[in-house]
Amino acid sequence: RKEVEQDPGPFNVPEGATVAFNCTYSNSASQSFFWYRQDCRKEPKLLMSVYSSGNEDGRFTAQLNRASQYISLLIRDSKLSDSATYLCVVNLMDTGRRALTFGSGTRLQVQP
Amino acid sequence: GAVVSQHPSWVICKSGTSVKIECRSLDFQATTMFWYRQFPKQSLMLMATSNEGSKATYEQGVEKDKFLINHASLTLSTLTVTSAHPEDSSFYICSARFGHPNEAQHFGDGTRLSIL
Repeated sequence: RKEVEQDPGPFNVPEGATVAFNCTYSNSASQSFFWYRQDCRKEPKLLMSVYSSGNEDGRFTAQLNRASQYISLLIRDSKLSDSATYLCVVNLMDTGRRALTFGSGTRLQVQP
Repeated sequence: GAVVSQHPSWVICKSGTSVKIECRSLDFQATTMFWYRQFPKQSLMLMATSNEGSKATYEQGVEKDKFLINHASLTLSTLTVTSAHPEDSSFYICSARFGHPNEAQHFGDGTRLSIL
């Protein structure tokens, strides 16, 4: 079983749609969680951190459920510029040796 | 603006060449930097953790003699791909974090390595 699992997509949605991505992680000792965005042939860029209390940044809302080991990202009012691959990322803190563990990413294509 | 700078962004060279990639943290000191590799349509895979002033810690399956890492200062880590072969062609990305280990990491803009 992969440590971080995501639906690879692609998700093809029209502009203005609301789209939700899901992610599960296998290690209950994971301590911090993030969503990164990666454009084609570019480096990942931090989109937002994810907290149990949930957090929102404009059109983006992230949620963490530790009991279910489940992370979500909701994008409202999709824009063409949202087209990218969204990476679910988990940090397992074990003396700092282990870095981030990435899901394989979910590709989003927003269409006009 | 960018907090991690990576150079070069693109390298094309012949098989057998050694290639050095630099990763710099800008305006902050990074005691720990990370090197990742990403093959087409795959996720980022951690290669090694680079610690300033000590030896790098390599992930299982990554040859330390093949991928030499040097973290000589708090703002610079280098990855040298020695005697590169076509199968080493990949997207290499470094990252650094500042602050608490649970904080997010920031990535360099990556180096696309193509070995002919």
